[in-house]
Amino acid sequence: GIQVEQSPPDLILQEGANSTLRCNFSDSVNNLQWFHQNPWGQLINLFYIPSGTKQNGRLSATTVATERYSLLYISSSQTTDSGVYFCSGTYKYIFGTGTRLKVLA
Amino acid sequence: EAQVTQNPRYLITVTGKKLTVTCSQNMNHEYMSWYRQDPGLGLRQIYYSMNVEVTDKGDVPEGYKVSRKEKRNFPLILESPSPNQTSLYFCASSLRASGTNTQYFGPGTRLTVL
Repeated sequence: GIQVEQSPPDLILQEGANSTLRCNFSDSVNNLQWFHQNPWGQLINLFYIPSGTKQNGRLSATTVATERYSLLYISSSQTTDSGVYFCSGTYKYIFGTGTRLKVLA
Repeated sequence: EAQVTQNPRYLITVTGKKLTVTCSQNMNHEYMSWYRQDPGLGLRQIYYSMNVEVTDKGDVPEGYKVSRKEKRNFPLILESPSPNQTSLYFCASSLRASGTNTQYFGPGTRLTVL
């Protein structure tokens, strides 16, 4: 089956710093999404981005479908950005193991 | 408010005692699915349903059953729970499985099997 690799697995940032999270797929996918799981366990949709670039406030995402990867950019990070970030793809919604982000005040 | 609801949110049970976790969505979505989340393993799909009366196995279906008799409901059944089914469970739905579809998640059910 399709494998999803996310990097880095863990990330610690000082408040205000920028970061890039990466998601690689072993085969082409559709329905690519990014999610944020907050410290209370809730999964929140960030982007549906099968291709191209989208921006929402301090967050943006880019997917290069032909090269089977997607990037999530977080600018001017805040403590509320802490949690785990997952990417997901295909109709069976395969998930990566996530990037655990901690933003320090 | 458009949402996916799950009940119960927390459950502690004992080995072998049948249980059902309910999932309901109010968005008229065709596609629904169940995941379990375990430390270091991310989310793994248990079962999914493309529409009413259409269900299929995900990556980790052993020990679970599902049914989809109505569009809005997709209960997860553990006939004989075992300690290795202790996990955080999520139900999710999307309009359809293919095309432009955002997946929405329920709040999660934390299950402990003693």
